[in-house]
Amino acid sequence: LAKTTQPISMDSYEGQEVNITCSHNNIATNDYITWYQQFPSQGPRFIIQGYKTKVTNEVASLFIPADRKSSTLSLPRVSLSDTAVYYCLVADTDKLIFGTGTRLQVFP
Amino acid sequence: DAGVIQSPRHEVTEMGQEVTLRCKPISGHNSLFWYRQTMMRGLELLIYFNNNVPIDDSGMPEDRFSAKMPNASFSTLKIQPSEPRDSAVYFCASNDPGSSSYNEQFFGPGTRLTVL
Repeated sequence: LAKTTQPISMDSYEGQEVNITCSHNNIATNDYITWYQQFPSQGPRFIIQGYKTKVTNEVASLFIPADRKSSTLSLPRVSLSDTAVYYCLVADTDKLIFGTGTRLQVFP
Repeated sequence: DAGVIQSPRHEVTEMGQEVTLRCKPISGHNSLFWYRQTMMRGLELLIYFNNNVPIDDSGMPEDRFSAKMPNASFSTLKIQPSEPRDSAVYFCASNDPGSSSYNEQFFGPGTRLTVL
């Protein structure tokens, strides 16, 4: 399974766009890139998934360059409620390996 | 749908006691996963089932841990005997491999286990 590297923490203010970049240099051809969000005292929640180029849903956008060795999760206009830990994972099977994630703190 | 259901939500027990955690996956999901989360080790996959069959139990820490899935709507994770280092939040998750989102797992609320 490909290993991922992402910043341990990030700070932002309400209304700003937040971009969290994840490195996965050893991503395999069949791997998908998936991001999860976890609030305190809750289980992780799926945010978005992609294979290449750009994916957008009602919550976030995921940008994946052509070489797929990294990906960027973009959260538009964050609010206080977006304070959470964000995990980047790459896998081609059911077996997901969660790293330490990025702890995003949004300030008023 | 009620989502993934776990019970109990909190469990406090004494070292040496048997602990049984329960999970009901989302109806129609045929994969079920057990995770453990601690501050020190983060979120670890313990075991997962596909169509009630254990596929990968390499994450189960030791023989004191066992998991079963007798049918598509129920799974248990048992620790016998429990030890203080087993204190953690245990999550159950399920997914439908046939869904459009390949790695979308749905997590339950977790069981916070404290072993004294």
